[in-house]
Amino acid sequence: EAGVAQSPRYKIIEKRQSVAFWCNPISGHATLYWYQQILGQGPKLLIQFQNNGVVDDSQLPKDRFSAERLKGVDSTLKIQPAKLEDSAVYLCASSLVGGQGTDTQYFGPGTRLTVL
Amino acid sequence: AQSVTQPDIHITVSEGASLELRCNYSYGATPYLFWYVQSPGQGLQLLLKYFSGDTLVQGIKGFEAEFKRSQSSFNLRKPSVHWSDAAEYFCAVKGGGGNKLTFGTGTQLKVEL
Repeated sequence: EAGVAQSPRYKIIEKRQSVAFWCNPISGHATLYWYQQILGQGPKLLIQFQNNGVVDDSQLPKDRFSAERLKGVDSTLKIQPAKLEDSAVYLCASSLVGGQGTDTQYFGPGTRLTVL
Repeated sequence: AQSVTQPDIHITVSEGASLELRCNYSYGATPYLFWYVQSPGQGLQLLLKYFSGDTLVQGIKGFEAEFKRSQSSFNLRKPSVHWSDAAEYFCAVKGGGGNKLTFGTGTQLKVEL
């Protein structure tokens, strides 16, 4: 079974530029998550989708970050404009059902973003 | 709100020695607990999870963890560490019916040959 796919794996941009990350979850998984992992910290949830609807985006900086999950499968996370403090690894995860404590999240390899 | 504390930022052990990584959680009811491992440049891989039942949980790669409600702990153990276990380890808690994972800050494991 294929895992969660993400691209690109690495991205270097200058501040105030825009960037987009792509995620393809495990086939059949209804729930998709985007996490931000700053160096030296644990991952922090940015947004959670259930199918193509947003369940939780309380920690998403909506003035510069946006995300969509069209057709309830792939998802794109965008940052515009980027700031230096956005340098981090962006992890995508998926789970089968969502909304249940016993549902396990599976993570992709992440995209490492460096903002200069 | 739920939270996780991993008191040890770095741990160094010799290959073949035993390992224990500490994790303390804060949550009002019975939590769902997880340990993930992250190798350099890789995503998070699930080692094991605890939902209910037997408080000693077996995972992949020879790891186990014990849930102790009285101590609000979920420590990860391995009897004999291999050099390939060098990585960062994250404890996470999920509360109740929601699916939001809250992670600790991680413990970086170094294995000396």
